[in-house]
Amino acid sequence: QKEVEQNSGPLSVPEGAIASLNCTYSDRGSQSFFWYRQYSGKSPELIMSIYSNGDKEDGRFTAQLNKASQYVSLLIRDSQPSDSATYLCAVTATGNQFYFGTGTSLTVIP
Amino acid sequence: EAGVTQFPSHSVIEKGQTVTLRCDPISGHDNLYWYRRVMGKEIKFLLHFVKESKQDESGMPNNRFLAERTGGTYSTLKVQPAELEDSGVYFCASSPLAQGPRNGYTFGSGTRLTVV
Repeated sequence: QKEVEQNSGPLSVPEGAIASLNCTYSDRGSQSFFWYRQYSGKSPELIMSIYSNGDKEDGRFTAQLNKASQYVSLLIRDSQPSDSATYLCAVTATGNQFYFGTGTSLTVIP
Repeated sequence: EAGVTQFPSHSVIEKGQTVTLRCDPISGHDNLYWYRRVMGKEIKFLLHFVKESKQDESGMPNNRFLAERTGGTYSTLKVQPAELEDSGVYFCASSPLAQGPRNGYTFGSGTRLTVV
């Protein structure tokens, strides 16, 4: 049973702060790791992908992967009210199937 | 480029009725996936088409669910007869054939199905 665990939140941060979202996964064979952002009633939107241990930065977003500890995190710097959404962690192993967490709800307070 | 389009956006049906969901992938995307999110749970894989062929249908919950992709373009997911536990949001996603999961998929906005 492949499991992806996320804290459902809600997570609230003030505007301009750093939001930290965490995810753990059970399958050591997991190879690719993703963060999707989903606004209410909208489609999940890919914002970050990471495959190797370490950090990957894209604008205000940084994904961190630690395969030994089986966790992946997403940092959002200078959080904006428009970042308020549900953030979904997803992993893949050898196939094409994604395994999702239940998502973390983030609210950025102006 | 048009995104992944799903019809209808919402559907409310009675238990025992039949419902057909439709997904139009991005033009040229041979990979098409169906996922489902039941209330309070994570998004779960249902099946994967490559063109018109079912590549992996390991996530289909039971034989009340039938997915088709005739001609390798749009896909339909039929639930017959619908049960209360089928309520949830059904997502479709697509990607080019040569693109594996490392680049992610493009998701549609989903069909919210409510069975009463």
